[in-house]
Amino acid sequence: EPEVTQTPSHQVTQMGQEVILRCVPISNHLYFYWYRQILGQKVEFLVSFYNNEISEKSEIFDDQFSVERPDGSNFTLKIRSTKLEDSAMYFCASRTSGKTDTQYFGPGTRLTVL
Amino acid sequence: GESVGLHLPTLSVQEGDNSIINCAYSNSASDYFIWYKQESGKGPQFIIDIRSNMDKRQGQRVTVLLNKTVKHLSLQIAATQPGDSAVYFCAENWGDQSGGSNYKLTFGKGTLLTVNP
Repeated sequence: EPEVTQTPSHQVTQMGQEVILRCVPISNHLYFYWYRQILGQKVEFLVSFYNNEISEKSEIFDDQFSVERPDGSNFTLKIRSTKLEDSAMYFCASRTSGKTDTQYFGPGTRLTVL
Repeated sequence: GESVGLHLPTLSVQEGDNSIINCAYSNSASDYFIWYKQESGKGPQFIIDIRSNMDKRQGQRVTVLLNKTVKHLSLQIAATQPGDSAVYFCAENWGDQSGGSNYKLTFGKGTLLTVNP
């Protein structure tokens, strides 16, 4: 069964450093998402991406964040200068463009900012 | 406001019993609802969904009920098994059903289901 994959599973970084989180969405999907989950809290929407551009972003997704689909398979989230409060699980999700609107999630990347 | 919340943060049941997990939503424009299961250290896993033009949908051992009058969603798990132990989230979205919308999901905080053997 196709699935969303994410790398790395755990990323530790120093405050102020740049990190890139990688995702490989399901191959025939066209909409891509990043969500985050701070420990013990609910999953929060960050950004949606379609047709090579951001279609919607949340208040969390400020100028320090960017997304890119550099090729036909990868979807990345970059945080330019990490802050302590960026520590969280980051989930990538994807869905098709059809009426089956289910978003399928990857296993997540745990980001720890020291 | 736009919010999805859960009535009970924890639920403990005996193996073999039926489980009911509840969720309230406040956005009357929401037209699509999903239940996800999240096991420790993993991403949300799709369980079942329901559109606002339905009030009940059944899957394998799971049933989702939607009451639009009181903006309430529930997930029923029949014959709960130890492998069902996880956090369960409801999520909602709204938008153009033609597929032109972003369909971002708004999640509730989650209910921890513990199944005792």
